[in-house]
Amino acid sequence: AQKVTQAQTEISVVEKEDVTLDCVYETRDTTYYLFWYKQPPSGELVFLIRRNSFDEQNEISGRYSWNFQKSTSSFNFTITASQVVDSAVYFCALSEGDTNAGKSTFGDGTTLTVKP
Amino acid sequence: DAGITQSPRYKITETGRQVTLMCHQTWSHSYMFWYRQDLGHGLRLIYYSAAADITDKGEVPDGYVVSRSKTENFPLTLESATRSQTSVYFCASRDRFGVSPGSGANVLTFGAGSRLTVL
Repeated sequence: AQKVTQAQTEISVVEKEDVTLDCVYETRDTTYYLFWYKQPPSGELVFLIRRNSFDEQNEISGRYSWNFQKSTSSFNFTITASQVVDSAVYFCALSEGDTNAGKSTFGDGTTLTVKP
Repeated sequence: DAGITQSPRYKITETGRQVTLMCHQTWSHSYMFWYRQDLGHGLRLIYYSAAADITDKGEVPDGYVVSRSKTENFPLTLESATRSQTSVYFCASRDRFGVSPGSGANVLTFGAGSRLTVL
């Protein structure tokens, strides 16, 4: 069975601070995918990034960066110089390849509030 | 318009009534999913489908029924709604090879959600 844990339920920062959202996962598969999705106050779910289990390279996209470490089963997400528009619920998710339609298991989400 | 649409967006019903939430996607994606979102539980999978006429249970299927007679539609039915089914329901889809909107294998594209209140 697969499991995703986001230990931080809520985080509050002041604008321009850096913030890291933690994600720890469990899976028995050797082939899997990890994701981050964003849910802004408007409610829609927006895909941010996907990593596969064979690619441990960290990734940076503008103010966003992701650190994938198989040794600790973690896929953490850092926002640099946070902005008010980053306020949202962020979900980490895990999908086990094509097994069972590649269904994704989500963490409980981290609510990020960025104050001006 | 291309995309994945859910209807109704908002629904209030009473305990014991039957409710159907509709999901329609225009990409001919093979896979479709229903999740429910509750405070403190993130997104939990109710049912999923790998193709027309192929459906399977997810993590929380009790009290729900699905069908998929056509690739593009995946309705979710609450046969006798209960208060515990008050939630926001999200439909999602993905193609098998990740070449359509969503950028990559196993990436889900979500509908806007259906907020259901059971009184």
